[in-house]
Formats: sequence, structure tokens, C-alpha cells
Amino acid sequence: ETGVTQSPTHLIKTRGQQVTLRCSSQSGHNTVSWYQQALGQGPQFIFQYYREEENGRGNFPPRFSGLQFPNYSSELNVNALELDDSALYLCASSLPGQLITQYFGPGTRLLVL
Amino acid sequence: AQKVTQAQTEISVVEKEDVTLDCVYETRDTTYYLFWYKQPPSGELVFLIRRNSFDEQNEISGRYSWNFQKSTSSFNFTITASQVVDSAVYFCALSEGEGAQKLVFGQGTRLTINP
Repeated sequence: ETGVTQSPTHLIKTRGQQVTLRCSSQSGHNTVSWYQQALGQGPQFIFQYYREEENGRGNFPPRFSGLQFPNYSSELNVNALELDDSALYLCASSLPGQLITQYFGPGTRLLVL
Repeated sequence: AQKVTQAQTEISVVEKEDVTLDCVYETRDTTYYLFWYKQPPSGELVFLIRRNSFDEQNEISGRYSWNFQKSTSSFNFTITASQVVDSAVYFCALSEGEGAQKLVFGQGTRLTINP
């Protein structure tokens, strides 16, 4: 049990729409990272938040944006959805005092039609 | 640049066989961390192990063991006496520097254990 939860579990959207994915971790998890995992691929780093500030970003366009809130929850927003955005989106959090290891939530499967 | 290569896309063995999953990494940093994660069909990535670049000691945890060799930039994972429940996709990952840095994952190895 990682203490990291994500919602929703599955989502279907159409091209051009916007989507918000949510992640919740336990108290004290200061760092949250988001990853995109396309079918048959390894996860790709989208961005990371530390104490509500963006702390690193991968090779993703600006239509991928995020927020981290004081209650340790986080959001991933994707605007102008494209078919290639269909993937499993994973949220990961680090434990206080153990920043190096990231523990993952169950993910949200997004299908863009 | 960071890179992780898992050359074995799929492995299929019969239960109770030993199996080794290969991982080769590239990094320019002297301080880095290597990880193995397991991804069952449910999709959640389960943390298995972390090693830092200064600790080449091999580790054993039950039926699992890990062989870290800096000379060959490899971090291989062996499952002894495999079981059907070991069936999953296994990912090797790398992060550089201190703190919660981004993870760079390999493509994964799909392991199927047949009864």
C-alpha cells in the first residue's frame, strides 16, 4: 500500500477536449511526479512538483500542465487532447526523508477518440 | 544523457525455473540510483529495489536477487524458482543526482511464468 490514489480509474474523451486527472498522497509527501505510459512502452516523465512549485519537466508540450495543493493532492491537466495522448497516466510520490524512491498510484487510463 | 535499455522484450519460462532480466544503463553522473519496478496487469508500478551508484553490493530478498556491476553498467534482476504470480512487466529505471529526480525507464520486459 503506497498511500497514493488516483481518480478516475478510466476516462474516455474526444479529440480537442480538455481533461483533469487527480492524484492524492498521504500527509508529508512533498514531491509528486507525473508520468505518461503509452501502450507497450515504459513510463515517460511529464513533470514534478515540490512544495507546490514545478521542479522539473520532461519533453511534453505546454498543453500539459499541473498543480500541487497544500493538502498533498495534485492535478494533471491536458488541453486540446490528441489521439496520441491515449495512455496510462501515473502519479508518483516520495516519502518524507526518502525522497529518492518514488511510489506509484494505480494510474488513470485515458482513451482519446 | 540518461538511457536505460532492457533488451529482452518478452520472456516465457515454466514455473520453478530461474530467470534473469537484463538492464543496461547510460549516465554521465557519478551519483545515480537504479531501480526495479514490477507492473502487474492492474497497471500499478510496484517498487522492488533501489541501489545507489556507490554501493555495488549484490542484494537478495527471498527469491529475488540483484546484480549491480558498474564496470558493465548493468543492473540485472534474477528470480529464483519462479512462480506464476511473478508474471508481470518489469521495468528498470535510473535517476541522477540527489533528491527526488525524474525516473528514466527502460522499455520493460514482459515475463510470463507458465504452470
